[in-house]
Amino acid sequence: GAVVSQHPSRVICKSGTSVKIECRSLDFQATTMFWYRQFPKQSLMLMATSNEGSKATYEQGVEKDKFLINHASLTLSTLTVTSAHPEDSSFYICSAEIAGTQETQYFGPGTRLLVL
Amino acid sequence: AQKVTQAQTEISVVEKEDVTLDCVYETRDTTYYLFWYKQPPSGELVFLIRRNSFDEQNEISGRYSWNFQKSTSSFNFTITASQVVDSAVYFCALNWYSGGSNYKLTFGKGTLLTVNP
Repeated sequence: GAVVSQHPSRVICKSGTSVKIECRSLDFQATTMFWYRQFPKQSLMLMATSNEGSKATYEQGVEKDKFLINHASLTLSTLTVTSAHPEDSSFYICSAEIAGTQETQYFGPGTRLLVL
Repeated sequence: AQKVTQAQTEISVVEKEDVTLDCVYETRDTTYYLFWYKQPPSGELVFLIRRNSFDEQNEISGRYSWNFQKSTSSFNFTITASQVVDSAVYFCALNWYSGGSNYKLTFGKGTLLTVNP
């Protein structure tokens, strides 16, 4: 139980294009989802907290106009990297909390983004 | 402020050796949760254990054991008789109340464990 999927698992795009990453909770409802970014050989850094039906809360230093987050349903959150640049190349990981609980986040398998 | 420190950046051992990964955390909260995750080269985080702040019992799961000591704010992880498949980056993380209805997870920088045959 508590499976989270991400799509795509890997994406290569040209600089200036936008990329959308989907995060789905497959067997539970998630009122809260999280987006993390991990650069090579570094730790996971929280980018934003996404609550279903409301605007995402972004961490300090994360550009909300560049990283658009939509959490339109209890099982789906999307992260769109707009006008991607090579410095946005990273490993993006989402996680989700089971609705009504807060102690544990269940992580997706991650999406590797390479911007050329 | 909440903080997790994993002082060991890299550890290298020979198969069958025991190895302990250290984790020290900082928080003023009385209710919090501690985690260990394994991240193999594929990148997917593998959940290993969760401990809440009120449960200081140590835990053993097969070759894995965890020592939680609130007095020293530590949550150390020991692998007994290490195997090559244990090679990965291990993260310690602290889940803490951030306000409203949300908790946040703060990760340590991770320890790269290499187990050599």
